[in-house]
Amino acid sequence: DAGVIQSPRHEVTEMGQEVTLRCKPISGHNSLFWYRQTMMRGLELLIYFNNNVPIDDSGMPEDRFSAKMPNASFSTLKIQPSEPRDSAVYFCATSGLHEQFFGPGTRLTVL
Amino acid sequence: AQTVTQSQPEMSVQEAETVTLSCTYDTSESDYYLFWYKQPPSRQMILVIRQEAYKQQNATENRFSVNFQKAAKSFSLKISDSQLGDAAMYFCAYRTGNQGGKLIFGQGTELSVKP
Repeated sequence: DAGVIQSPRHEVTEMGQEVTLRCKPISGHNSLFWYRQTMMRGLELLIYFNNNVPIDDSGMPEDRFSAKMPNASFSTLKIQPSEPRDSAVYFCATSGLHEQFFGPGTRLTVL
Repeated sequence: AQTVTQSQPEMSVQEAETVTLSCTYDTSESDYYLFWYKQPPSRQMILVIRQEAYKQQNATENRFSVNFQKAAKSFSLKISDSQLGDAAMYFCAYRTGNQGGKLIFGQGTELSVKP
């Protein structure tokens, strides 16, 4: 298996633009997580899905953030409009029986 | 709410020596999992070791082992025979026993290895 796949690996955009981050989970994993990593706040959960259903979105900062999982093999995290404070590394992770496996992350820079 | 605390922002070890990274957590649950993740400069999050709370035996993976003290809510990571490739940020993480539960991370400890 190729592991968790995220795209793009790097994204530079201007304030106000829409940003879409993508994730392909490991086949057979039923849970998918979006985390954000910043120097100030560390690693924090934004949202997670079980069997494509959002379970906990309490970490989503505000309405500018939205996430979808239309099927078992694809998820997106969208920021619209983006702001400089959204600059961070965004990780997608999927869960087997016990462990969570992380994708390589997307480094987002909002100018 | 569960919390995870890593009190050592930075640690340093000489190559081939042993180092211990500390982690404490707070929870009222009895069923949970604890993890150590390694994040090298490539930023990839790599699972190092896992401990189930119901197991008394400390987990071991090659040069990595843990000291799990459930009553004290302590979960330290010992790295033996440290190698240059061990230099990274290390995160302690907690997860509830429910399958698919989210991870709660500590603040991280940056480990440097001196040749």
